[in-house]
Amino acid sequence: QLQLQESGPGLVKPSETLSLTCTVSGASISSGSYYWAWIRQPPGTGLEWIGSIYYSGSTYYHPSLKSRITMSVDTSTNRFSLTLRSVTAADTAVYYCARVYLHTDYVDYWGQGTLVTVSS
Amino acid sequence: QSALTQPRSVSGSPGQSVTISCTGTSSDVGTYNFVSWYQQHPGKAPKLMIYDVSTRPSGVPDRFSGSKSGNTASLTISGLQAEDEADYYCCSYVGDYTVLFGGGTKLTV
Repeated sequence: QLQLQESGPGLVKPSETLSLTCTVSGASISSGSYYWAWIRQPPGTGLEWIGSIYYSGSTYYHPSLKSRITMSVDTSTNRFSLTLRSVTAADTAVYYCARVYLHTDYVDYWGQGTLVTVSS
Repeated sequence: QSALTQPRSVSGSPGQSVTISCTGTSSDVGTYNFVSWYQQHPGKAPKLMIYDVSTRPSGVPDRFSGSKSGNTASLTISGLQAEDEADYYCCSYVGDYTVLFGGGTKLTV
């Protein structure tokens, strides 16, 4: 059974850097049929695609976040990561990591989500 | 990229049917047959209900169905049950391994 688990600090100060890691178990992150994504959900609002990464390291970022985001993948540990720089209160959200089917781009597995609050 | 347009809320009585619309543009919903729908209960991660416009994953009841016409996709839930009460999000591929979500619809049963 595939499982994804987000980890990282739940509180980040404004202007600092948010770093999250997603650990994948039950399947290889190197599967060519899937890519891996970060999706967030600010409190009380909808889902927002942040970006995605393929096991080869190719990345695709949301245009509005592109200047502040870096995603990376570590196939040896079956993990992928998100770094979001210069955070503000608007970045407060539940952050989900997810698996996306490559050919028709649907999310078939989600992590449980982790709340990250940006506050001093 | 603006979010796909969904009604903020819909409601129905047990046993009835409801349809949730998802309107995009010719650059997303209108071009790609890669529309998916997700159900989200409070405090939980979203769950895939429909993919590729109208395909149900294993385990999703056949009360859930999807369709698309032009720039608008739709999710229909027939035989409403209390446990269907949740938020529903549509999602469309927009190119370059990127997707766009709808704003979400709260279904009240």
